[in-house]
Amino acid sequence: GQQVMQIPQYQHVQEGEDFTTYCNSSTTLSNIQWYKQRPGGHPVFLIQLVKSGEVKKQKRLTFQFGEANKNSSLHITATQTTDVGTYFCAGKRYSSASKIIFGSGTRLSIRP
Amino acid sequence: NAGVTQTPKFQVLKTGQSMTLQCAQDMNHEYMSWYRQDPGMGLRLIHYSVGAGITDQGEVPNGYNVSRSTTEDFPLRLLSAAPSQTSVYFCASSFRGQSDQPQHFGDGTRLSIL
Repeated sequence: GQQVMQIPQYQHVQEGEDFTTYCNSSTTLSNIQWYKQRPGGHPVFLIQLVKSGEVKKQKRLTFQFGEANKNSSLHITATQTTDVGTYFCAGKRYSSASKIIFGSGTRLSIRP
Repeated sequence: NAGVTQTPKFQVLKTGQSMTLQCAQDMNHEYMSWYRQDPGMGLRLIHYSVGAGITDQGEVPNGYNVSRSTTEDFPLRLLSAAPSQTSVYFCASSFRGQSDQPQHFGDGTRLSIL
């Protein structure tokens, strides 16, 4: 079946350092969505990428969809304490009508 | 608008008991889904529905039933609770069009099976 893996599982950084999480799918995806979940909260939608090679930015966050539509990355520049949480990617195969599969997530913690 | 509402927020069950987790949305979303979240496992899709009267299995459907009699409601039933079903359960909904739309999540139900 479809698998979506994320690395690393955990990342602990000093405030101000950069952070990157990678998302890799075993199958080609029609799109990638990214979500953030604060501790004790629920996932909140951040962005969607639909085109091969697409790059989108939201302030300090940069999202990229790989050329082969099988991987994606989220990069945060100069982390702040408000960035703490778990970041999930989610994708859907071209052949799947509606099944959206989430990655295992990367938990980001930050030293002030 | 309330968005996606899940009840109850917390529940403790004994092994073998049955219960229904409720999920309701007021955004007229066609697509609704149930996920369970376990430490280190991310969000795993249990069941989903693309509209009233239509449901399908996700990654981990065993031990769970769903139905979708209305657009607004998508209850998840545990027929005979097992300790392995201890988890946080999230319901989500979205519009369903030609392209995928963001999923809106409820606050979750924290379920413990003793």
